[in-house]
Amino acid sequence: ELKVEQNPLFLSMQEGKNYTIYCNYSTTSDRLYWYRQDPGKSLESLFVLLSNGAVKQEGRLMASLDTKARLSTLHITAAVHDLSATYFCAVDIASGYALNFGKGTSLLVTP
Amino acid sequence: DTAVSQTPKYLVTQMGNDKSIKCEQNLGHDTMYWYKQDSKKFLKIMFSYNNKELIINETVPNRFSPKSPDKAHLNLHINSLELGDSAVYFCASSNTRGLSNQPQHFGDGTRLSIL
Repeated sequence: ELKVEQNPLFLSMQEGKNYTIYCNYSTTSDRLYWYRQDPGKSLESLFVLLSNGAVKQEGRLMASLDTKARLSTLHITAAVHDLSATYFCAVDIASGYALNFGKGTSLLVTP
Repeated sequence: DTAVSQTPKYLVTQMGNDKSIKCEQNLGHDTMYWYKQDSKKFLKIMFSYNNKELIINETVPNRFSPKSPDKAHLNLHINSLELGDSAVYFCASSNTRGLSNQPQHFGDGTRLSIL
């Protein structure tokens, strides 16, 4: 069974600081997704990573994928309060027909 | 013009009742999904349908019965509701043709509370 492990699960960081969230998965997959969820809201797609070495950036967030190490990272640069949310990584486990999610990282950015 | 819409948004009911949640997508996607998010925010796939055909049934109790009348709709009926069914249920859709690189698009969720 595919396991997807995120760490840390909780992260409190100051505005202006940098930090990285890690997502490890246990079996081969070529597609990895990052989603953001605000409290009581839906899931918003952030990044789709399709191949080894893929790197994508949007604003203060940058995601990368190393399929050989079965590792994806979500790097936060110069955090701002608006980034406070829960971030999920998810791995495609059935050729697009199902995602296996990590437990999520609850991020709180404080002044 | 919501892309993936679910109704109702909130559902409060008693144990033993039967309830349905409806989902519609206007994105022209060929695949639809139901996910369950528990109180600890853990998300788990329940079902996926491709062009009205069941593809994934992830060890969900028989009390849960999805129905897809067409590829734009995927409804979820739950019989004999139990306390453990309290959760947020998310509908999602995507294109899987040619192993598309598109993400799954999620609805706003249905918050089910069992009294």
